[in-house]
Amino acid sequence: VIWMTQSPSLLSASTGDRVTISCRMSQGISSYLAWYQQKPGKAPELLIYAASTLQSGVPSRFSGSGSGTDFTLTISCLQSEDFATYYCQQYYSFPWTFGQGTKVEIK
Amino acid sequence: EVQLVESGGGLVQPGGSLRLSCAASGFTFSSYWMSWVRQAPGKGLEWVANIKQDGSEKYYVDSVKGRFTISRDNAKNSLYLQMNSLRAEDTAVYYCARYAPYYYYMDVWGKGTTVTVSS
Repeated sequence: VIWMTQSPSLLSASTGDRVTISCRMSQGISSYLAWYQQKPGKAPELLIYAASTLQSGVPSRFSGSGSGTDFTLTISCLQSEDFATYYCQQYYSFPWTFGQGTKVEIK
Repeated sequence: EVQLVESGGGLVQPGGSLRLSCAASGFTFSSYWMSWVRQAPGKGLEWVANIKQDGSEKYYVDSVKGRFTISRDNAKNSLYLQMNSLRAEDTAVYYCARYAPYYYYMDVWGKGTTVTVSS
């Protein structure tokens, strides 16, 4: 099983801030990483796949980077609709696993 | 519009059974691997099971092996999860999700159905 450490678990930020979320793997996964956004009471939505490819329709202020064991999700200019919980997921090795989640809240 | 709609959740006693359904529309259901993912109250996401396009391959997380069965009916564009011997720790929102072609990230999700296991 590949273990994932996502940090921070809680991030307080203001509209307009640049924020970064980290996801670290217990072993290398090449670029087989996805990021999801989940708002309260809603289903997750795919933001990024293959570590850095933006899903169609996702605003360009979202970006992903990294390969191997260390990955980052960056929101360049936080908007009000971005306050949510973010999860990383590896799909390199079965069983697929998710990070613990990072809640981005209003400062 | 691509859509997944889950149903079948509810309150069930420990040891009981429940069958979840997921109706797919707006895409060629038979061309995609499909999965179930769950989320316990206040917790993160956990992949539960997935099934190949023709149903010939099925995989489960260890905690549900022998108790849950994933299946599909491509003629009805439907995915199912039969859950037996339910435990309190199975309490969660269960999401149906579609895998992207060739890779195992989920590009379409349903809204979820809630399963509560309690006496």
